Amino acid sequence: ILNVEQSPQSLHVQEGDSTNFTCSFPSSNFYALHWYRWETAKSPEALFVMTLNGDEKKKGRISATLNTKEGYSYLYIKGSQPEDSATYLCAFRTTGGFKTIFGAGTRLFVKA
Amino acid sequence: ETGVTQTPRHLVMGMTNKKSLKCEQHLGHNAMYWYKQSAKKPLELMFVYNFKEQTENNSVPSRFSPECPNSSHLFLHLHTLQPEDSALYLCASSLRPTGTHEEQYFGPGTRLTVT
Repeated sequence: ILNVEQSPQSLHVQEGDSTNFTCSFPSSNFYALHWYRWETAKSPEALFVMTLNGDEKKKGRISATLNTKEGYSYLYIKGSQPEDSATYLCAFRTTGGFKTIFGAGTRLFVKA
Repeated sequence: ETGVTQTPRHLVMGMTNKKSLKCEQHLGHNAMYWYKQSAKKPLELMFVYNFKEQTENNSVPSRFSPECPNSSHLFLHLHTLQPEDSALYLCASSLRPTGTHEEQYFGPGTRLTVT
């Protein structure tokens, strides 16, 4: 059974704090790792697609790294803002059938 | 706005009812997906359609019946559902299902309650 774990489950930070969360996935049969941002009452929105070990991606204040050998990805948010409050999902895609398995998400609350 | 729309946004149905969920995208994508999110569980992929052909069915009970008449529209027909089927049903699309770089574009979901 393929399992994708995200930690922490939820996180409360103050505006201006930098924060990071983890997505852990199987280190075998890796194809791609996706990060999504899901605000309440809205649609999940793609942040990054990561495919190569050592990949680093950045979009504004948000960045992500990937380690496929040990099976983890980190998402960093620098200088959190209240509008960053959302659930951050990672999704692991496998080779051989191209299954997509989502983690349960990290719920971020940023207080002004 | 992601370019993927879903109707209805909310649905309450009895266990003997038959209803359908609709998803539409005008992004020129060729793959469409149905996901289910139950309370406190991760998103679960239900079905994948690629160029109108079903390419994946993740052991979904037959009371859920998908239909993809063209690359822009996807339906989920529901009949004799159980209360445990109450969940958020999300539709998504991507340019291709198997390429490396396609992101999935999600609709806002249909909140289904089975009474």
